[in-house]
Amino acid sequence: QLQLQESGPGLVKPSEALSLTCTVSGGSISNTNYYWAWIRQPPGKGLEWIGTIYYSGTTYYTSSLESRVTISIDTPKNQFSLRLTSVTAADTAVYYCARHRASVVLPARRPTYFDYWGQGTLVTVSS
Amino acid sequence: EIVLTQSPATLSLSPGESATLSCRASQSVSSYLAWYQQKPGQAPRLLIYDASNRATGIPARFSGSGSGTDFSLTISSLEPEDFAVYYCQQRKDGPPWTFGQGTKVEIK
Repeated sequence: QLQLQESGPGLVKPSEALSLTCTVSGGSISNTNYYWAWIRQPPGKGLEWIGTIYYSGTTYYTSSLESRVTISIDTPKNQFSLRLTSVTAADTAVYYCARHRASVVLPARRPTYFDYWGQGTLVTVSS
Repeated sequence: EIVLTQSPATLSLSPGESATLSCRASQSVSSYLAWYQQKPGQAPRLLIYDASNRATGIPARFSGSGSGTDFSLTISSLEPEDFAVYYCQQRKDGPPWTFGQGTKVEIK
């Protein structure tokens, strides 16, 4: 059974960088059928897709965060990571990592839906 | 960017009743729409993909329909564990892959 687990600091100071890692177990992060994503949810609010990465390193980011976000992948460790710089209180949220299933329609195996999720980790931005 | 608008914001129903949730897209997403369920303190769970296909392990009381810009999620007979927040998500035009703002199904 595939499992995803987020890890990282739960408290980050304003203007600093938020860094989280997602460890994938029960499956290979190099599987060509899947991408890997970060999604966040501010307290009491809805879901916001942050970005997605493929095992090859191809990345997609939401435009509103693109200047501050980097997603990277470590295939030997079966992990992928999120780095968000210059955080403010508006970045306080539960951060989820998720598997982003690739389309079965060739030639463009585009990301589609999020079929496995980590439990989420709350990151609070506060001094 | 495709905007998804869900209605109603809150649905108050009793166990055993049927629930119909709506998701409207700002432009056609063909049939490329999914539904997720989120319970308090838990991650979302994929229920329906490509408008009408149930994900693995999802009970038959959950069904999805629609195409183009108008979609529905129907829960045929609400069980106590179905009271939760439901989100729709499109994969037609990404990035970004966008979500609706959610519909809360609460116990009346």
